[in-house]
Amino acid sequence: AQSVTQLGSHVSVSEGALVLLRCNYSSSVPPYLFWYVQYPNQGLQLLLKYTTGATLVKGINGFEAEFKKSETSFHLTKPSAHMSDAAEYFCAVRGNQGGKLIFGQGTELSVKP
Amino acid sequence: NAGVTQTPKFRVLKTGQSMTLLCAQDMNHEYMYWYRQDPGMGLRLIHYSVGEGTTAKGEVPDGYNVSRLKKQNFLLGLESAAPSQTSVYFCASSAGGGNSPLHFGNGTRLTVT
Repeated sequence: AQSVTQLGSHVSVSEGALVLLRCNYSSSVPPYLFWYVQYPNQGLQLLLKYTTGATLVKGINGFEAEFKKSETSFHLTKPSAHMSDAAEYFCAVRGNQGGKLIFGQGTELSVKP
Repeated sequence: NAGVTQTPKFRVLKTGQSMTLLCAQDMNHEYMYWYRQDPGMGLRLIHYSVGEGTTAKGEVPDGYNVSRLKKQNFLLGLESAAPSQTSVYFCASSAGGGNSPLHFGNGTRLTVT
């Protein structure tokens, strides 16, 4: 069965610093992976999605994710954090049935001035 | 293009009362989902539908019912509300499986007293 683990429920960085949010997946088949962002009192917005064969996936707002099959990881990065990046981030993997997404528990990103 | 629209945005119920949450999408998507979000638990799938007239149970279906009479609408019902159903409920839709992303509504915040 597919599952996702996000390491760290809270991450705090300074403005301008590197952002690294960790996601490890478990899947018996080649995975379909996604990162979403949730701003306060809003729904989830797609940041990026994994495309089969790619190792580095670019998303919106300067975010990227690197797919490493050997490590079963899909970590999210951004070279330079901005105050507006403060939000909750979710990694997700597609399940076997009905196209559903299985979400990690989320990582709350804080950005200090 | 409204995307996914959820009504109502907020609701307070007393234990034992019933209510229906409405989700509407205008993207002609086949697949629709209901998730609940609770602190520290990510998003958990309640029920989903892979097409008009079909429904299936997700991870946490107890206490909820759903209907998909029209392709564009997906209704979530609480027959007898309990305090454990206090949560934020999100509806989402998708064109299908693979790397098709889920598109989310802005959520319904439900409090059961």
